[in-house]
Amino acid sequence: GNSVTQMEGPVTLSEEAFLTINCTYTATGYPSLFWYVQYPGEGLQLLLKATKADDKGSNKGFEATYRKETTSFHLEKGSVQVSDSAVYFCALPNQAGTALIFGKGTTLSVSS
Amino acid sequence: DTAVSQTPKYLVTQMGNDKSIKCEQNLGHDTMYWYKQDSKKFLKIMFSYNNKELIINETVPNRFSPKSPDKAHLNLHINSLELGDSAVYFCASSHLFLSTLWGYTFGSGTRLTVV
Repeated sequence: GNSVTQMEGPVTLSEEAFLTINCTYTATGYPSLFWYVQYPGEGLQLLLKATKADDKGSNKGFEATYRKETTSFHLEKGSVQVSDSAVYFCALPNQAGTALIFGKGTTLSVSS
Repeated sequence: DTAVSQTPKYLVTQMGNDKSIKCEQNLGHDTMYWYKQDSKKFLKIMFSYNNKELIINETVPNRFSPKSPDKAHLNLHINSLELGDSAVYFCASSHLFLSTLWGYTFGSGTRLTVV
């Protein structure tokens, strides 16, 4: 079945540093790919998505490109802020399309 | 207006008790879900209902019973609570056949602590 693997955290950065959080997937076909963010004490929010190969999703300065050659969907941001401190989840639908499968989450901590 | 709302936000209870968590969505979605997030932040699907019908029932103890009175509501009842049930439970909703394109909308979670 479909699965997703993302890099272990925590990731600790200084403000304005470059961020990359790696995500690779295994899937039948080319499902949509998602990044969700969970701020402390809150639920998950959709950060960005890509619905087909070579698509780039972007939002709030974050970007991720759907790369079928490397089965990857890495999350990047050129200059992180303290307010970006959160847990980031990579996700994709299960094979039946009836549920989202999440990676284990990567905790990002940004200090000023 | 809150799109997906869960109550209560926090729930502390003793082992052996029975408790319920409620979820309501006002987005007009036809599918609702319960996810469990453990202490390591790992998220796992528990149940999914589409138009009041159960479509996903993962390997979850029988002590957990979801109920969907209508497509805007999905409740989770837990019998005989155990220490290992302590977690954050998230409700989510979507349009079933659009969810693979648009993803889900999540509630803010219910933190259950069993003592």
